[in-house]
Amino acid sequence: AQSVTQLGSHVSVSEGALVLLRCNYSSSVPPYLFWYVQYPNQGLQLLLKYTTGATLVKGINGFEAEFKKSETSFHLTKPSAHMSDAAEYFCAVISQAGTALIFGKGTTLSVSS
Amino acid sequence: GAGVSQSPSNKVTEKGKDVELRCDPISGHTALYWYRQSLGQGLEFLIYFQGNSAPDKSGLPSDRFSAERTGGSVSTLTIQRTQQEDSAVYLCASSLEGSYGYTFGSGTRLTVV
Repeated sequence: AQSVTQLGSHVSVSEGALVLLRCNYSSSVPPYLFWYVQYPNQGLQLLLKYTTGATLVKGINGFEAEFKKSETSFHLTKPSAHMSDAAEYFCAVISQAGTALIFGKGTTLSVSS
Repeated sequence: GAGVSQSPSNKVTEKGKDVELRCDPISGHTALYWYRQSLGQGLEFLIYFQGNSAPDKSGLPSDRFSAERTGGSVSTLTIQRTQQEDSAVYLCASSLEGSYGYTFGSGTRLTVV
């Protein structure tokens, strides 16, 4: 069965520091993986996705993620955090039937000045 | 429309009453999804519509929950005899077939008192 585990429900960084949000997945089929961001009182917005091809995926707002099959991971990184990055981040994997996304429980990112 | 529109944005209802939540997807998006977001629980898949195919209802938590999509466009999620545990944010998303790049609405915050 497909599932996603996000390690750490809350991550705090200083402005300018590296952002690392961890995601591990379980999938019985070649995974399609996604990161979404949710700002307060808004819907989710797609940051980036991995389907096939290059394992290092670049997304919006300077974020990127690397698919590592051997580690069943898809961690999200950004070299230098901005205050505007404070939000909740969700990792997701496509369902086995390919009909829906299965989301993790989310990681709240706080950025301090 | 330009985005996914959900109404109402907030709904307070008494326990035992029925509620209807509406989703108006992006024009031309054939796939439509409903998710439930509860505090600390991430996003829970509820139901998926794709064109004229039978919907995937596998995520509906009980027979009090139902959804329909009329004319391949607007969708209504109905919760009968609401319970306090139904309190959550209900998110709708749409996408082009096979795209997996969901566009989410801002959600309906349901509070059952």
